[in-house]
Amino acid sequence: GAVVSQHPSWVICKSGTSVKIECRSLDFQATTMFWYRQFPKQSLMLMATSNEGSKATYEQGVEKDKFLINHASLTLSTLTVTSAHPEDSSFYICSAMIRQDTEAFFGQGTRLTVV
Amino acid sequence: GNSVTQMEGPVTLSEEAFLTINCTYTATGYPSLFWYVQYPGEGLQLLLKATKADDKGSNKGFEATYRKETTSFHLEKGSVQVSDSAVYFCALSDGGNTGKLIFGQGTTLQVKP
Repeated sequence: GAVVSQHPSWVICKSGTSVKIECRSLDFQATTMFWYRQFPKQSLMLMATSNEGSKATYEQGVEKDKFLINHASLTLSTLTVTSAHPEDSSFYICSAMIRQDTEAFFGQGTRLTVV
Repeated sequence: GNSVTQMEGPVTLSEEAFLTINCTYTATGYPSLFWYVQYPGEGLQLLLKATKADDKGSNKGFEATYRKETTSFHLEKGSVQVSDSAVYFCALSDGGNTGKLIFGQGTTLQVKP
């Protein structure tokens, strides 16, 4: 099946710094990628939808200036958490799909801890 | 808005026991319904799906039936194995875009030998 890889798997950073998380589709071209966030013992919440070559569409309540999403190619989307604070600590997971009405494939997630 | 509610875990079963994980949803229109599984240290994998009422999704011995009248999509397996230990997520597609998913909170299943 299709493989989506996230990097890094986990990261610890200091408050005030920025962290970039990569999401790559390894064996297919993804026209659309999604970024989710999961708080402990809670469900995955969609943060934004990213289409290759265009600006990301953010869900209500998600700060676009804090969570910068770039989808510069059909195989790579990045999420940058800017000026991170401890409340940004969470599990971030991406998914990618070839086109609408096809299955979305998920990465393994990234555990971010801000200290 | 659309939402998904799963039974709280963890669910602990002995090997070969019968499994049911309840999932109910609230949605406008006719969403597709999904079960995803997350094994330790791995990403989410699609387990099964159903795209319309009365459809039954099945895979690896797991089954779930799309029940519009009860707005449910309960996951069942007749005989669980230790290797089934994982976190299970129920989800629905938000509108026509099957990639945009709304998830339940996940249910941890532990199967003991």
